[in-house]
Amino acid sequence: AQSVTQLDSQVPVFEEAPVELRCNYSSSVSVYLFWYVQYPNQGLQLLLKYLSGSTLVKGINGFEAEFNKSQTSFHLRKPSVHISDTAEYFCAVSEGFNKFYFGSGTKLNVKP
Amino acid sequence: SAVISQKPSRDICQRGTSLTIQCQVDSQVTMMFWYRQQPGQSLTLIATANQGSEATYESGFVIDKFPISRPNLTFSTLTVSNMSPEDSSIYLCSVDGTGDHEQYFGPGTRLTVT
Repeated sequence: AQSVTQLDSQVPVFEEAPVELRCNYSSSVSVYLFWYVQYPNQGLQLLLKYLSGSTLVKGINGFEAEFNKSQTSFHLRKPSVHISDTAEYFCAVSEGFNKFYFGSGTKLNVKP
Repeated sequence: SAVISQKPSRDICQRGTSLTIQCQVDSQVTMMFWYRQQPGQSLTLIATANQGSEATYESGFVIDKFPISRPNLTFSTLTVSNMSPEDSSIYLCSVDGTGDHEQYFGPGTRLTVT
């Protein structure tokens, strides 16, 4: 089974600063990678996904992520965060489109 | 994309009782999934439900505790049986997005067992 590691449980950052949320996965086989965001008391919303092709993936709300196969990583970045980005972010991996493995989540706290 | 609704959105239940959570999708889907998100933790897959067949449970989850129904291609229920405080979690339903390789999630059911 896949193992997904999000190294940072919490990331505090000031508004307009850049941020990177880290994600590493275990499998060396072909995988599909996702980042989801969960706002307080809401369900999960897809930010972006990597299926194939360009290793730099752009998503909603100005987020992007880079797939690095050699390092089995899929780190999420945003050059300038807003207060509204305060949420919990989950990295997920799928091997076959239907079974997802989730990381433990990273709480992003954007301060004014 | 798919729009998913869940009922109830939240509930407070006494230990020893059971709660059935409903999941409704606005389009026909092959596979539906049930996840548990315990306080402060990530999502854990409970089971996969296909219409017309028995649900497939992940390690650590059993049918007697979490019976699932899938009567048609747009609806599923998850029952949390003989509840204990350890069952206090958010339970989420999701579906696979046919052709776009992602899962869509419902808003979740927040369950508190006292």
